[in-house]
Amino acid sequence: AQKVTQAQTEISVVEKEDVTLDCVYETRDTTYYLFWYKQPPSGELVFLIRRNSFDEQNEISGRYSWNFQKSTSSFNFTITASQVVDSAVYFCALTSDGSGNTGKLIFGQGTTLQVKP
Amino acid sequence: DAGVIQSPRHEVTEMGQEVTLRCKPISGHNSLFWYRQTMMRGLELLIYFNNNVPIDDSGMPEDRFSAKMPNASFSTLKIQPSEPRDSAVYFCASSLVPFGNTIYFGEGSWLTVV
Repeated sequence: AQKVTQAQTEISVVEKEDVTLDCVYETRDTTYYLFWYKQPPSGELVFLIRRNSFDEQNEISGRYSWNFQKSTSSFNFTITASQVVDSAVYFCALTSDGSGNTGKLIFGQGTTLQVKP
Repeated sequence: DAGVIQSPRHEVTEMGQEVTLRCKPISGHNSLFWYRQTMMRGLELLIYFNNNVPIDDSGMPEDRFSAKMPNASFSTLKIQPSEPRDSAVYFCASSLVPFGNTIYFGEGSWLTVV
C-alpha cells in the first residue's frame, strides 16, 4: 500500500523564521516519485518540486529546500526566512510504478502554514 | 504557455440539478486526471484518462458521476443528479506519460450544492 503522512496539521510562525514541513511516505515499490505542491488561499495547486527515488541529493531553490532521506522514508520541506506570502497549505504526494504506471498521485492531508507579520 | 484550464471556477446549484465541469489539459499532455478535494477526505483521485481512454475510474463515488474525454483537448465531469454532499473543489490535472512526470493542476472548480 502507498501512503503519505503529513503529521503537522497546522504550523504558525512569525515572519523571517525558518520552518520545516514534514512528510513521511510508505511504498513497497523501488521506483517512485515524490512531489510537493502549494495551495495558496486562492485555491489553486502549484507544483513546487519533483524528486525520484534514485536521487537523494538535497535541493535548494531560493528560500526553499528539500531533504530526501530514503532511510527514514522522509521528504521534508524547509522554508528559510519565511514570508507572509508563504502562508498556504502544502501537500506532499507520492506516485510509484506500483500504481499501474498511471502516475496517480497519493496525497498527504496537507500542512497549513501561517506566517504572521 | 497555457496551463490546465477549468470552467466554471465557481458553481452554485440546487440539489437534483445536473452539473457539468469542463477541463482543457495542457497541449501535448496525454494523461488527464480528475481529483476532488474535501475537508473530510482531502485530495482524492476520481478518474484517470490516458490518450483519451478512461483507465482507472475506481475513485468515482457512484453512478451519479460520469466523465468523458472526447478528444485530447477536452474533458467533462458530470454529476446528475447533484447532492449537497457533492460540494467540493474539483481539480483537473494533466501530465505526460510515463509516470513520474509532473502533474499540473488547474485552478479548480468550486462546487456548492444547496
